[in-house]
Amino acid sequence: SYELTQPPSVSVSPGQTATITCSGDKLGNKYACWYQQKPGQSPVLVIYQDTKRPSGIPERFSGSNSGNTATLTISGTQAMDEADYYCQAWDSTIGVFGGGTKLTVL
Amino acid sequence: QVQLQESGPGLVKPSETLSLTCTVSGGSISSYYWSWIRQPPGKGLEWIGYIHYSGRTNYNPSLRSRVTISVDTSKNQFSLKLSSVTAADTAVYFCATLSYDSGSYYNDYWGQGTLVSVSS
Repeated sequence: SYELTQPPSVSVSPGQTATITCSGDKLGNKYACWYQQKPGQSPVLVIYQDTKRPSGIPERFSGSNSGNTATLTISGTQAMDEADYYCQAWDSTIGVFGGGTKLTVL
Repeated sequence: QVQLQESGPGLVKPSETLSLTCTVSGGSISSYYWSWIRQPPGKGLEWIGYIHYSGRTNYNPSLRSRVTISVDTSKNQFSLKLSSVTAADTAVYFCATLSYDSGSYYNDYWGQGTLVSVSS
């Protein structure tokens, strides 16, 4: 079965750039999306189709996908961005989530 | 904007069937695909499956033998049934829209989630 691997945790200082990776076999040949989940809340879509931002998502969120790695980048990270982030891709018509990355802003 | 609300029992006995319904408002169920996703306490997200309003379904292979997702277009609802549950099925269950665009799938609207515990 297809697997996506994320680092369990990433730390960043306020105002700096946070980078969260998602690795999978030939992931660049698939589309990836990213979700943000804060404690006790439902996930929120922040990036879809590798690079697109839904309406209402700040421009500091961006995405890329090439080779075996999709990347979520948060520029000028703010305290409010502290959350769990999950990547998702589709192996044919089967949805697969990464294990999640806890982003700490300190 | 589409809104989704999960409903169903919060406690299910082992070996029984978990049944949840997702009610859609602010949009027609004939406009999207519809997903179920779950999250065990303190753990990550797990994709359960999806249904198209036409009735076409697709399930996580690890759950396929126990899962049924159905849609009721007259009520603007879709449902999840998971049979033969064990404690490992204890989780927050989310329903969500599943949009499709140029080969890309993504869950853009989510319900608030409902905790289902499996215990005798």
